[in-house]
Amino acid sequence: EIVLSQSPATLSLSPGERASLSCRASQSIRIFLAWYQQRPGQAPRLLIYDASNRATGIPARFSGSGSGTDFTLTISSLEPEDFAVYYCQQRSAWPQTFGQGTKLEIK
Amino acid sequence: EVQLLQSGGGLVQPGGSLRLSCGASGFTFSNHAMNWLRQTPGKGLEWVSSISGSGADTSYADSVRGRCSISRDNSKNTVDLQMNSLRVDDTAVYYCAKGSQWLRGGWLDPWGQGTLVSVSS
Repeated sequence: EIVLSQSPATLSLSPGERASLSCRASQSIRIFLAWYQQRPGQAPRLLIYDASNRATGIPARFSGSGSGTDFTLTISSLEPEDFAVYYCQQRSAWPQTFGQGTKLEIK
Repeated sequence: EVQLLQSGGGLVQPGGSLRLSCGASGFTFSNHAMNWLRQTPGKGLEWVSSISGSGADTSYADSVRGRCSISRDNSKNTVDLQMNSLRVDDTAVYYCAKGSQWLRGGWLDPWGQGTLVSVSS
């Protein structure tokens, strides 16, 4: 089973700042990585798929990069609604697995 | 608008059974695999089961194989998860999610609202 490690566990930033979240895979997953956002009390929402493609309706301030084992989710300028938990997920090998999440909190 | 509406769940004793259901609208249901996942504070997000668009192919996580059964009714746009021999560690919020492709393994978008399954004596 492929293990995804996210860092940091918690990121404290202010609105308007740039956020960079990391996801590292235990083996190469090519570009088969997605990012999800989960706000309190809500279900996860797909943000990025295939490492760098924004899902429908996702603002341009969200971008993804990386391939192989190292991936990054970048939020260029944080809005108040962006403070949430972010998960990465791989579908390169079965079973699909998730990272443990990064909590983005207001500083 | 694509929507998934879940029902079922609740409190059950260890060894008991529950059936979760997920109703879909806003897309051609039979063209997409459907998935069940669960979330706990300790284990995080965990994939549970998937079923292909036709229903012919199913797959299960090792943790639930032999105790859970996924099925779908393409005439009613519903997908169910029958859970038997429930254990305390099955306690979680369960989500259904639409797959991005006909076969298992696509991206998960959107997700249902979630339903709590609590296994306790």
